[in-house]
Amino acid sequence: GNSVTQMEGPVTLSEEAFLTINCTYTATGYPSLFWYVQYPGEGLQLLLKATKADDKGSNKGFEATYRKETTSFHLEKGSVQVSDSAVYFCAPPVHMDTGRRALTFGSGTRLQVQP
Amino acid sequence: SQTIHQWPATLVQPVGSPLSLECTVEGTSNPNLYWYRQAAGRGLQLLFYSVGIGQISSEVPQNLSASRPQDRQFILSSKKLLLSDSGFYLCAWVWGDTDTQYFGPGTRLTVL
Repeated sequence: GNSVTQMEGPVTLSEEAFLTINCTYTATGYPSLFWYVQYPGEGLQLLLKATKADDKGSNKGFEATYRKETTSFHLEKGSVQVSDSAVYFCAPPVHMDTGRRALTFGSGTRLQVQP
Repeated sequence: SQTIHQWPATLVQPVGSPLSLECTVEGTSNPNLYWYRQAAGRGLQLLFYSVGIGQISSEVPQNLSASRPQDRQFILSSKKLLLSDSGFYLCAWVWGDTDTQYFGPGTRLTVL
């Protein structure tokens, strides 16, 4: 089945620092890959996605490139802000018994940005 | 546009009491629907999913059940809550054959 391994947090950075959150995956074929973000007390929001190998997803200054050579989908941002403090989840799709898909989520990586 | 609602937003219940959490989706038809639970400081655990009315699949056997009485309504229930049922419950939907899940605002349940 499909799975991801995500770096554990918390990650604490100063404002304007460079961010990398590592995510590696194992999958059959080249499924879509996702990064979700959860702000305190809220549900998950789709941050970005890549639908095939070598695709780059980007949103709100965050980027992630689907690299099949290293089976990675690392999340990066050049200059973080206090408002980026949240929990970030990397996820692949998972095939259910009916053939319909649901994403599996690990524990996420908590990012804390200090002013 | 599509929106997803969950209620209540917060709930405090005694051990042994029943539970009913509701999730509704607007602006789409025949969505796949999902219930997740997130324990404090932990990741998301998929509890149930549904591909249509009356069709429920359970991912993890436990003290909870789910029902889908209408196309865009998904209900999470329990007859007797346990302390371990405390957590943040999230409903999500998927449209068509896409892989992208859209989440509701969540219900924070505290069992005392």
